[in-house]
Amino acid sequence: NAGVMQNPRHLVRRRGQEARLRCSPMKGHSHVYWYRQLPEEGLKFMVYLQKENIIDESGMPKERFSAEFPKEGPSILRIQQVVRGDSAAYFCASSPPLGGEQYFGPGTRLTVT
Amino acid sequence: RKEVEQDPGPFNVPEGATVAFNCTYSNSASQSFFWYRQDCRKEPKLLMSVYSSGNEDGRFTAQLNRASQYISLLIRDSKLSDSATYLCVVNMDAGGTSYGKLTFGQGTILTVHP
Repeated sequence: NAGVMQNPRHLVRRRGQEARLRCSPMKGHSHVYWYRQLPEEGLKFMVYLQKENIIDESGMPKERFSAEFPKEGPSILRIQQVVRGDSAAYFCASSPPLGGEQYFGPGTRLTVT
Repeated sequence: RKEVEQDPGPFNVPEGATVAFNCTYSNSASQSFFWYRQDCRKEPKLLMSVYSSGNEDGRFTAQLNRASQYISLLIRDSKLSDSATYLCVVNMDAGGTSYGKLTFGQGTILTVHP
């Protein structure tokens, strides 16, 4: 049973480019969460999604960031016009339909040059 | 005040030692509590959920004190492989559901040496 999958594992973007991070939840999980870990800091919640719905986006920056979890395919975290401050590890987690513990993917390390 | 507060350490202990980590949380309506471990530059891995009655998993024991808003983790007979950052994690979803956003402490660094 494959765990949470994220790709790419490493992503390098120049300032002003777009970054797309993908997350496939564990089999049978329908809740997806995105967290960001800045260098030398703790993990911070960004957004919580179910299929085709954003449930809680209270942790998302107001501009340039968006997330989706379509009916088919992985969840996507999109960052437009990246800046150096976006450099971080972005982790995705998933949980089962009735809630429960969250399991994390290996993360995508974004570097903005 | 931070929502979830931990002593950052670092804790340096010899193999075989017993070590305890503490954590406090600010929201008295919080419903779910966890300990995760994170190895350097890797994803957090669930160590155990924490229940009011306390729970034990092998060498690891977790306790929750709702009145004091305090969570603890005890590791007995430390192994070299226990070296990691231990994250105290709280689900502050006031609806009382077990899903929703997690709030992480800054983590406590543990190093177990021979």
